[in-house]
Amino acid sequence: SAVISQKPSRDICQRGTSLTIQCQVDSQVTMMFWYRQQPGQSLTLIATANQGSEATYESGFVIDKFPISRPNLTFSTLTVSNLSPEDSSIYLCSVGTSPSYEQYFGPGTRLTVT
Amino acid sequence: GQNIDQPTEMTATEGAIVQINCTYQTSGFNGLFWYQQHAGEAPTFLSYNVLDGLEEKGRFSSFLSRSKGYSYLLLKELQMKDSASYLCAVREEQAGTALIFGKGTTLSVSS
Repeated sequence: SAVISQKPSRDICQRGTSLTIQCQVDSQVTMMFWYRQQPGQSLTLIATANQGSEATYESGFVIDKFPISRPNLTFSTLTVSNLSPEDSSIYLCSVGTSPSYEQYFGPGTRLTVT
Repeated sequence: GQNIDQPTEMTATEGAIVQINCTYQTSGFNGLFWYQQHAGEAPTFLSYNVLDGLEEKGRFSSFLSRSKGYSYLLLKELQMKDSASYLCAVREEQAGTALIFGKGTTLSVSS
């Protein structure tokens, strides 16, 4: 199994600012994903972080708002830009390795926008 | 379109058995997953089904019927610590790709 760490674990940010979340994995993984979990809701996929190329975004999520970097097979960042209270959520990094079927989640970053 | 349905809430008592159902309609299918999520924590993997039938792992079992687009998670000998949200998720494409999650079922276990 993969061990995933995220920084920061939580943050309170002001409207209009940005927050960058880091995800570090203890082993090289093929696929890395970023999910959002709004209060009381389930997980929604934001994007797939592709190593060496642009991330693949899901419908409703755009690169200008959620820029993602993935410089290598163990690390990725998600930036949430131009923050508004609606961005208050938990952001989770997840990894999967083909051909394994399992997918693991990081501990999450709890963002509150005031 | 994609649709994954599961009950919003369930309650049960310690020592009992509870079955959490999940129905899905997705454009592709390459596996169904169950995750447990305690409040304030990340989801943890419970089970995976890609073929029809029952997979048993200790107190937890998961069943899949691909023709019916249906799965259930069975929890036996319930304990207070089983109070959590249970998330049903489908992988539409090849192994290693992202999951689509249902809204989750909040299970409350009482003594």
